Amino acid sequence: AQSVTQPDIHITVSEGASLELRCNYSYGATPYLFWYVQSPGQGLQLLLKYFSGDTLVQGIKGFEAEFKRSQSSFNLRKPSVHWSDAAEYFCAVVFNQAGTALIFGKGTTLSVSS
Amino acid sequence: DARVTQTPRHKVTEMGQEVTMRCQPILGHNTVFWYRQTMMQGLELLAYFRNRAPLDDSGMPKDRFSAEMPDATLATLKIQPSEPRDSAVYFCASGPGRTNGETQYFGPGTRLLVL
Repeated sequence: AQSVTQPDIHITVSEGASLELRCNYSYGATPYLFWYVQSPGQGLQLLLKYFSGDTLVQGIKGFEAEFKRSQSSFNLRKPSVHWSDAAEYFCAVVFNQAGTALIFGKGTTLSVSS
Repeated sequence: DARVTQTPRHKVTEMGQEVTMRCQPILGHNTVFWYRQTMMQGLELLAYFRNRAPLDDSGMPKDRFSAEMPDATLATLKIQPSEPRDSAVYFCASGPGRTNGETQYFGPGTRLLVL
């Protein structure tokens, strides 16, 4: 079955430390891949997306993600976390190449400690 | 700065009442999505439209939920009658509809509480 997995429900990182949020998908072909961020009480904001080409994609707010086909992964990274990065992060996938509906992971809540 | 707008932002109602949520997609976008977010299920697709026609509403409880696009600038999601289990945040998103796997732009959501 097609699915998106974010193994970490909650992560705490010290301010200034690096961050990696994990995302794995289950699908036979390469899907379209997205990372969204949701601040408390807010809607979802797109951080970055991968459709094809260079497997390392740059996004907003200093985030990047790397698509690894062999691992069916699309992990989100940031070299130095700021307190304002505390939020919930969602990996999302479009599985059907002819469709547009997003399938979301359960999300990872990021806390930033000082 | 084009944005998806949703009204109301918050709604508290009693079980059995009708609830109507509205969404104004970004001007020029022709795909509209409704998602629901709960603690238990996370974010799940309820329905989506392209050029105002429903393409997929398989995620929506048909007996009580209905989604429509009366015109290109308005999408509505209705629940009648509402139940406590419908309490959730309902997000509308829109996309330009030019490519598959296009970016979706989300509204701020309607937070619904059914007592």
